[in-house]
Amino acid sequence: DIQMTQSPSSLSASVGDRVTITCRASQANRNYLGWYQHKPGKAPKRLIYAASRLQSGVPSRFSGGGSGTEFTLTISSLQPEDFATYYCIQHDNYVWTFGQGTKVENK
Amino acid sequence: EVQLVESGGGLVQPGGSLRLSCAASGFTFSVTWMHWVRQEPGKGLVWVSFITGDETLTNYADFAKGRFTISRDNAKNTVYLQMNSLRAEDTGVYYCATDKEWLPDSWGRGTLVTVSS
Repeated sequence: DIQMTQSPSSLSASVGDRVTITCRASQANRNYLGWYQHKPGKAPKRLIYAASRLQSGVPSRFSGGGSGTEFTLTISSLQPEDFATYYCIQHDNYVWTFGQGTKVENK
Repeated sequence: EVQLVESGGGLVQPGGSLRLSCAASGFTFSVTWMHWVRQEPGKGLVWVSFITGDETLTNYADFAKGRFTISRDNAKNTVYLQMNSLRAEDTGVYYCATDKEWLPDSWGRGTLVTVSS
């Protein structure tokens, strides 16, 4: 099974900052890669699918990139509502694997 | 609007069983793959299981194989997770989610399972 290594595990940033989170796959993935935002007590929210496609209704400050074994989520200008935990997930051969998560905190 | 409502969580002793349910509405349930995902206390999201719309294919995370069974009733728009031989490490919030483009898409708010004596 493919393993996902997400980094950093946490980061401190200010409103307006550019933030980048990385996920590395243990073997090449066919871009079945997504990014999610999760706030305590709420349902996770999909932001990006197919590595770079923006989910409908998600602000354009979120973007996904990468291919093969390295993928990124970028928030171009951090907003107050973006402080949350972010996860990547990949699918391969009917097995899904999440990264360990990145907590984005207010500096 | 997609709505997913999980139920069936609660306190159970180690070795016990629980059946979680997820009631779905707002989309064509019978053709939609469904997932269960859990979050252990203070930890990250972990994929548990999935099922195709026609139930012809299911799969499980290694920790769930042989103990958990996913199923669905398309007449009731409901997906289930039968959990047997529960362990303390199965404690957490269990979410159901639809699948779209090979990844979980819409999620419920979860149901809490606590395994403790």
